[in-house]
Amino acid sequence: EVQLEQSGAEVKKPGESLKISCNGSRYSFTSYWIGWVRQKPGKGLEWMGIIYPGDSDTRYSPSFQGQVTISVDKSITTVYLQWSGLKASDTAMYYCARRAFGSTAKYFDFWGQGTLVTVSS
Amino acid sequence: SYKLTQPPSVSVSPGQTASITCSGDRLGDRFACWYQQRPGQSPVLVIYEDTKRPSGIPERFSGSNSGNTATLTISGTQAMDEADYYCQAWDSRTVIFGGGTKLTVL
Repeated sequence: EVQLEQSGAEVKKPGESLKISCNGSRYSFTSYWIGWVRQKPGKGLEWMGIIYPGDSDTRYSPSFQGQVTISVDKSITTVYLQWSGLKASDTAMYYCARRAFGSTAKYFDFWGQGTLVTVSS
Repeated sequence: SYKLTQPPSVSVSPGQTASITCSGDRLGDRFACWYQQRPGQSPVLVIYEDTKRPSGIPERFSGSNSGNTATLTISGTQAMDEADYYCQAWDSRTVIFGGGTKLTVL
């Protein structure tokens, strides 16, 4: 079955940088968009952005544009989410999710287990 | 910007039917999907393209979408269905999530 394996929990200080990862396996990695979703403690899901590993085409939610960077390394079938200067308000669970195949597919069919990021001084 | 609105909470008795709504301007003109998120777990797709169930999702889960409202219906609700439910759609090239509905089975 499809697997999206995310990197482990992180504890960082405000201002530090961070890069978390999402490794996809058991499917054609370059043929599916991978998105990132934030969930703050006790709150709902927020879409951050999405990347197509085939050509690195990347789109961001207006709320997250300029705040994070999404990238991919096809050679190791891994998508990344990174920050250059974390804030306490970035404390959240971050999920990667695979968009279903096809240009008309408008849903995420598989999700990673989540990476908890805690930012505290 | 496009917005999807869900009721914060819905309660249902075991064995009864639960309906969770998701409202958005002309939502019926686009596909809606639904995710279930149990406490401490990742979201799971339960309905896609308005009415379709992924493999492994029980038949008691169904969906509809017309006008301004998409609806997730759970027939014969079980205790294991207690969870948060999120609707989702696309607007232009942006993913939109509803605020989520906590389903309580009591």
